[in-house]
Amino acid sequence: DTEVTQTPKHLVMGMTNKKSLKCEQHMGHRAMYWYKQKAKKPPELMFVYSYEKLSINESVPSRFSPECPNSSLLNLHLHALQPEDSALYLCASSQVSGAGPQHFGDGTRLSIL
Amino acid sequence: SQQGEEDPQALSIQEGENATMNCSYKTSINNLQWYRQNSGRGLVHLILIRSNEREKHSGRLRVTLDTSKKSSSLLITASRAADTASYFCATAADRGSTLGRLYFGRGTQLTVWP
Repeated sequence: DTEVTQTPKHLVMGMTNKKSLKCEQHMGHRAMYWYKQKAKKPPELMFVYSYEKLSINESVPSRFSPECPNSSLLNLHLHALQPEDSALYLCASSQVSGAGPQHFGDGTRLSIL
Repeated sequence: SQQGEEDPQALSIQEGENATMNCSYKTSINNLQWYRQNSGRGLVHLILIRSNEREKHSGRLRVTLDTSKKSSSLLITASRAADTASYFCATAADRGSTLGRLYFGRGTQLTVWP
């Protein structure tokens, strides 16, 4: 069992839908991350939150909108996605934003029709 | 790019054999980390080696780091079928605007046959 919980595990949506991915951790970590991973590729960083503030946005299209309501929760709001956005979306957390180990959830497998 | 490069891309061995994976990177680092990813799952942190360390052990894992060559290796001894997974190295920058980012290598797919 992972200590970072992501819901839903699978999501199928049309290009006009609006949906949200959720991530929760109760390890007291103050940094949280969103990654996108395509099959047989390494994870690609999308966003970093440090102490509930967005600290890194890797030039992600605006159809992806992150939100950090509190130190335990991280959301990724999705709107008007494209088929190429189909991927595994991974959430991770670490004690602070920096060079330490990151703890990953099992991801949300997203398919865009 | 600061991404690491891993080799081999795929490795297939029998149970009981040792598996060695290599990682090279381009810039100065604070540390280098290794992660495992089982099919359909998230990444699991295995081991972290700091830039001033040369070797580290954890159970059946042995990691080496050569900062002069900007390379690292992960050795898994006495492999088991359960070790079948993708293994990624990730470098953590030591300063500036890249702090907070991990740069992942392309990964090595390890298959251990019973």
